[in-house]
Amino acid sequence: DAGVIQSPRHEVTEMGQEVTLRCKPISGHNSLFWYRQTMMRGLELLIYFNNNVPIDDSGMPEDRFSAKMPNASFSTLKIQPSEPRDSAVYFCASSQLAAGGRGYGYTFGSGTRLTVV
Amino acid sequence: DQQVKQNSPSLSVQEGRISILNCDYTNSMFDYFLWYKKYPAEGPTFLISISSIKDKNEDGRFTVFLNKSAKHLSLHIVPSQPGDSAVYFCAASEGLNTGNQFYFGTGTSLTVIP
Repeated sequence: DAGVIQSPRHEVTEMGQEVTLRCKPISGHNSLFWYRQTMMRGLELLIYFNNNVPIDDSGMPEDRFSAKMPNASFSTLKIQPSEPRDSAVYFCASSQLAAGGRGYGYTFGSGTRLTVV
Repeated sequence: DQQVKQNSPSLSVQEGRISILNCDYTNSMFDYFLWYKKYPAEGPTFLISISSIKDKNEDGRFTVFLNKSAKHLSLHIVPSQPGDSAVYFCAASEGLNTGNQFYFGTGTSLTVIP
């Protein structure tokens, strides 16, 4: 298995532009999570999906952020319009929601480093 | 509010000595805990876990201790090696009722000095 795949690895964009981050979870995993890593908050949960349905988006900082999971193998996180304070590393993670699924927690992707100038 | 806290942002240890990374939590409903290790430019990877029914779990050089009454867990690395230099995150889960959601601390950056 190739693991959780995120694209792009790096994104530099100008303030006000739309940014779309992409994630392909591990096949068979039915939970998907979007995290943002900052120095102040560490790994901050933005939103998570179970079986493609958004369960908790209370971590999404503002209406400028939106996430979709149109099918079990793909999710996007969109920021529109982007601002410099959105600069961070964004991680996608997936897991199997089951009795044994907590054993290893999540499998994380390599992250997307977003820089908004 | 941060439910999982790692109050030491960084730690330096000599090679061969013990590294102790600490983690505190506030939610008494947390019953499953993980430690993740993260190298630069990579995603966090699972390191070791512990369930609340245990107070210790060991895997090679890594041991996690859980003190439920103090709401505290720690990760011991013995002996420490330069390749252990990374950021370590602890994470806690309340159970499947919360959708398998884990709450993460802010991380501790460990540097093992050769």
